[in-house]
Amino acid sequence: GENVEQHPSTLSVQEGDSAVIKCTYSDSASNYFPWYKQELGKRPQLIIDIRSNVGEKKDQRIAVTLNKTAKHFSLHITETQPEDSAVYFCAPQRGAGGGADGLTFGKGTHLIIQP
Amino acid sequence: EAGVAQSPRYKIIEKRQSVAFWCNPISGHATLYWYQQILGQGPKLLIQFQNNGVVDDSQLPKDRFSAERLKGVDSTLKIQPAKLEDSAVYLCASSLNGWGGYSYEQYFGPGTRLTVT
Repeated sequence: GENVEQHPSTLSVQEGDSAVIKCTYSDSASNYFPWYKQELGKRPQLIIDIRSNVGEKKDQRIAVTLNKTAKHFSLHITETQPEDSAVYFCAPQRGAGGGADGLTFGKGTHLIIQP
Repeated sequence: EAGVAQSPRYKIIEKRQSVAFWCNPISGHATLYWYQQILGQGPKLLIQFQNNGVVDDSQLPKDRFSAERLKGVDSTLKIQPAKLEDSAVYLCASSLNGWGGYSYEQYFGPGTRLTVT
């Protein structure tokens, strides 16, 4: 099965600074790379995703970069705000659609934004 | 658009008792997933349905867990008998049918928090 590792497990940054979380995976057949945000006591929500035919994707203050050769992808958050405080999960997926495509989640990164 | 619905939201039972969770996916979503999230960890896939058929149940502890999705819409997940280590949040998610090699976003329900004492 897929082995997924996230680093760091905890990240504390000053408000306004940038944060970067890295996800390493083992399955070379993975072709879909989402990041989920989970606030305390709430459900995971997709914040950005990238597919294997793209190297980078941006959505306002959030970006994801993918290095398929090295089998890792990263979440970048710029100009961090207090509402960015949450646990972030990567969940690489090998599914080709229509088959087994359940997500394999990393252990999560607890992002803390210091005022 | 209504989201994924789950009930109950909270459940406390004693070990060796049985419990059932219910999930209603987003209308039109053919694929339904059940995940288990133990405190401090990421969600772990238990079972995936495509319409009313099982696609993947490789991580479902079949000696005590069972799930069904009759008529390809609502789903129930059952635990019988429960153990202390089953204490977790059980998340249901749904997505559009990802035919043609395309993976669609999974939408999660609010979850059911199970405490086994």
